[in-house]
Amino acid sequence: GESVGLHLPTLSVQEGDNSIINCAYSNSASDYFIWYKQESGKGPQFIIDIRSNMDKRQGQRVTVLLNKTVKHLSLQIAATQPGDSAVYFCAENRAGGGYQKVTFGTGTKLQVIP
Amino acid sequence: DADVTQTPRNRITKTGKRIMLECSQTKGHDRMYWYRQDPGLGLRLIYYSFDVKDINKGEISDGYSVSRQAQAKFSLSLESAIPNQTALYFCATSDFGTQTGELFFGEGSRLTVL
Repeated sequence: GESVGLHLPTLSVQEGDNSIINCAYSNSASDYFIWYKQESGKGPQFIIDIRSNMDKRQGQRVTVLLNKTVKHLSLQIAATQPGDSAVYFCAENRAGGGYQKVTFGTGTKLQVIP
Repeated sequence: DADVTQTPRNRITKTGKRIMLECSQTKGHDRMYWYRQDPGLGLRLIYYSFDVKDINKGEISDGYSVSRQAQAKFSLSLESAIPNQTALYFCATSDFGTQTGELFFGEGSRLTVL
């Protein structure tokens, strides 16, 4: 069956260091993989996505890596800041029939130590 | 003002009561979704709607119903609330043209069923 999961529930990082959040997936039919950030008391917010035929995509201070061989997805945050403290979800999307079937993982909590 | 607005933000009710959670959006998106978030389980899809005439069940629709009153409004009902429906509920929207899985979430409605 399909599943999107995370290796670590909590990650503590010193301010200024780089953060790496990992995610494993099992469904090879996904079209896109997405990272969402959820701050306390708020809804998830889209960060970055990567198409399934790519292996790397960069955004502002974030990089997503996709390794289809081992079905692994990671989010790298450069120079982690206190504002990066949040729960991060990986998700996969299989677009079909106009509907986006987005399946979410369980989330990793990132704690930034000042 | 938020693009996706949910009411109420917090609600405490008793077992057997009927509850309605409302969602309105100003993004002009056709697609609307209701998700449920439980600790350790990520977000799970309850119902989704392509437009006012199209309603579809998600992975955990039992015990819930929805109504798409207008393009901008999508409400979730619990006809007879039970304690295991205690959770954080999110409404989300997406654009017709996107393929990536980018969803726009409201800030959530926390429901407690005693």
